[in-house]
Amino acid sequence: DIVLTQSPALAVSLGQRATISCRASESVRSSMHWYQQKSGQQPKLLIYGASNLASGVPARFSGSGSGTDFTFTIDPVEADDIATYYCQQSRNDRTFGGGTKLELK
Amino acid sequence: QVQLQQSGAELAKPGSSVKISCKASGYTFTSYDISWIKQTTGQGLEYIGYINTGSGGTYYNEKFKGKATLTVDKSSSTAFMQLSSLTPEDTAVYYCARPILGRYFDFWGPGTMVTVSS
Repeated sequence: DIVLTQSPALAVSLGQRATISCRASESVRSSMHWYQQKSGQQPKLLIYGASNLASGVPARFSGSGSGTDFTFTIDPVEADDIATYYCQQSRNDRTFGGGTKLELK
Repeated sequence: QVQLQQSGAELAKPGSSVKISCKASGYTFTSYDISWIKQTTGQGLEYIGYINTGSGGTYYNEKFKGKATLTVDKSSSTAFMQLSSLTPEDTAVYYCARPILGRYFDFWGPGTMVTVSS
């Protein structure tokens, strides 16, 4: 299985930039996708194919990277963005990162 | 609008089985597969597999072979997942989701909590 590694938590201030990383144990090319999960809710697709914004998602969200290293950015962070963010790869089967909990500083 | 409605929470005894459902609406059911994903606090999100809603063909993550059985009822636009020989490790929230080109999931159901306890 391809293992995806994310930092467990990130503290940011409102209005600032939040950058979340996801590292794959082997290359997934651009087959990386990002989800937001708020407490008690199902995950919501934000980014697909490493850098493509899903329908209806604000342009404050963006993604980049290829191969093994990927970055998800929120700029600027709003209060409604407090959630856990997961990366997911589709290069080899489907696996998810452990999630990064975005917290307010 | 696309919606995936899941059945309610289940409390089951070890060794028993449960069958949870996922009813789709707002799109042509047989044009998309349905995938299932497990979420626990300890293991995070785990991909169980998918069912082709047109043919009934299935794919299972190796870890869930023998544990999960995916079926579909096209007449009611509903997908089902049966979990068998339940143990406390099966306690989790189970989501159905719509995969796009089999790669990522653009719509998710609200989840079904399954609790396995004696």
